[in-house]
Amino acid sequence: QITLKESGPTLVKPTQTLTLTCTFSGFSLSTSGVGVGWIRQPPGKALEWLALIYWDDDDYYSPSLKSRLTITKDTSKNQVVLKMTSMDPVDTATYYCAHYYGSGSYFNRHFDYWGQGTLVTVSS
Amino acid sequence: QSVLTQPPSVSGAPGQRVTISCTGSSSNIGAGYDVHWYQQVPGTAPKLLIYGNSNRPSGVPDRFSGSKSGTSASLAITGLQAEDEADYYCQSYDSSLSARVFGGGTKLTVL
Repeated sequence: QITLKESGPTLVKPTQTLTLTCTFSGFSLSTSGVGVGWIRQPPGKALEWLALIYWDDDDYYSPSLKSRLTITKDTSKNQVVLKMTSMDPVDTATYYCAHYYGSGSYFNRHFDYWGQGTLVTVSS
Repeated sequence: QSVLTQPPSVSGAPGQRVTISCTGSSSNIGAGYDVHWYQQVPGTAPKLLIYGNSNRPSGVPDRFSGSKSGTSASLAITGLQAEDEADYYCQSYDSSLSARVFGGGTKLTVL
């Protein structure tokens, strides 16, 4: 059974760096083809993909946020960490991590298991 | 503005059939990249509904079906039930952006 859970601060100040941790179970990020992604959703708005890391440490970022994001993994702890710098009130959102898998091309894979999400508010 | 365009809302009476469209372009759906669909009940995390254009994960009722043609994809829901009231999102890959992309979401109201 695959589960994921996000953790981190619920409130950050503008200009600060946000660090979120995704702790998962039921799979290993050392297994070929497996990935974990981060997706966010501002209140009342649509989902937005942020970043993705694969079992082999390949990482990918949303082009609009690439300069502010860093995704890393700790296979021994079953964790994936997302850092986002220069936080702004517009970054207020629920942040989700999700298991990224599927057959065939890496471009055609999907997010099949999601964490419950964590709401991060950016305010002074 | 989302790269994948969905209608903001659709509605239908219980038992009816509704479809939700997801319109892309030659750099995403039209380029042959798969479309996936997620259901999000308000206040909860998204749930995978359809993957690889038309495949249902285990546990998803066969009332839900997906299709793709050209630069668009569609999600069809037959035999509408009150529990289907949720937001629905399509997702694909865009080669121009080098990014996984989501549609703007469609709110389904069961009348």
